[in-house]
Formats: sequence, C-alpha cells, structure tokens
Amino acid sequence: DAKTTQPPSMDCAEGRAANLPCNHSTISGNEYVYWYRQIHSQGPQYIIHGLKNNETNEMASLIITEDRKSSTLILPHATLRDTAVYYCIVRVEGSNYKLTFGKGTLLTVNP
Amino acid sequence: GAVVSQHPSRVICKSGTSVKIECRSLDFQATTMFWYRQFPKQSLMLMATSNEGSKATYEQGVEKDKFLINHASLTLSTLTVTSAHPEDSSFYICSATMSYGYTFGSGTRLTVV
Repeated sequence: DAKTTQPPSMDCAEGRAANLPCNHSTISGNEYVYWYRQIHSQGPQYIIHGLKNNETNEMASLIITEDRKSSTLILPHATLRDTAVYYCIVRVEGSNYKLTFGKGTLLTVNP
Repeated sequence: GAVVSQHPSRVICKSGTSVKIECRSLDFQATTMFWYRQFPKQSLMLMATSNEGSKATYEQGVEKDKFLINHASLTLSTLTVTSAHPEDSSFYICSATMSYGYTFGSGTRLTVV
C-alpha cells in the first residue's frame, strides 16, 4: 500500500470546519483513499473513502486532487467529540489486504 | 451497520497466566479478521491476519507461540496471550473486512501485573 503523510497535530475551534490534509504521492491507480479516526481508548471508526471523485456522507467530505496525490478530509462543523486521531490510509478496495496505519493527525477541537 | 464486538474491554492478569480475547462479528460473516496492538501514544500495529478455518498469518516480529489466534467460525476469532508478562500490557484491537473497508472492535485493555 502507498505511504501517506499527515501533519502530527491540528487545532480547530468548535463549530468551525476542520480541514485535515493527507499526501499520498505514490498512490496507485487502483488504490482508494480511506479515512478513519480513533477517539481515545476506542477502536478506529470508519469515516469515508474515495477513489478520485469527491465524496460526502453524514460525517464528512473527502476532497481528492485531480492528480490523486493528496486529499483533504473536511469536518464541516467540528464539535468537541470530534477530537481524535485521524488516519489517512490508501489501499485497494474490496480486498482482504491488511490495513496499515501511519501516525495520523491528532485533531483537537477547542471550545 | 456492521458491528464487531470485542470482549473483555479490560482485563488485569498476573504475570505468567494466559488471557483470551474474543472478537465477534454480530451481523455479518467475517472470513478474515485482523488483530492489532497499540502501545500508549503510538499508532496501531498489525499483529496477525486471521482466516477462518486456517492458520493465522503473523507479522514479522510477532511470536506466534505467544499470541495464539483461532478463527474457528465465520463470526468468531480469538486471541490468546500466553504466559503474559508486563511488557505485553497494551491495547488490543480486532477488525473485520467489509465491502467498504474495515470495521473495528472497541478494543481490550490488557494489564499484566
């Protein structure tokens, strides 16, 4: 799986949009971009994934650049409960390939 | 949505004893499950891949005789930490594959005293 690079930490004010970047310059054509988050002492939670088109669900939006070398996860209205470590992972969809976690970004939402 | 149930959530055991952690897929069948370990302030590290009806595949550096994995059915995988030592104290998390990715258990905090 392609390697990803994320900033180690970010801060965001409650109610504002949180924009979390991820670089994946070596991504292959059949690899998807996945985002997970881990709230302290819990298992990771799936957020969203996409191949090349922008995606949106009830939790977040995913913006992938045209060259697919980077992406941004957007939490439109961050709350205190969104404080967590966010992981950007690239992998082939629908396979049983192992999921490899990097260090992620610790997002702290401040009141 | 798909749920993976992991038990126990916390366990304290004495050094030298064994501990079993269960991971169940509640509303789907999981032919493959994964076991991770996470030390404080670190990321998740994959320990092994568990396939129903066959032997688990362990990552490099993980002792297969110490971390016994059994995946006897499509809904249950177990991880047994044998002869536990304080350095085995960690947060253990299981996951199962879904069509859109992975779903994770809530984790087990193991403390060996």
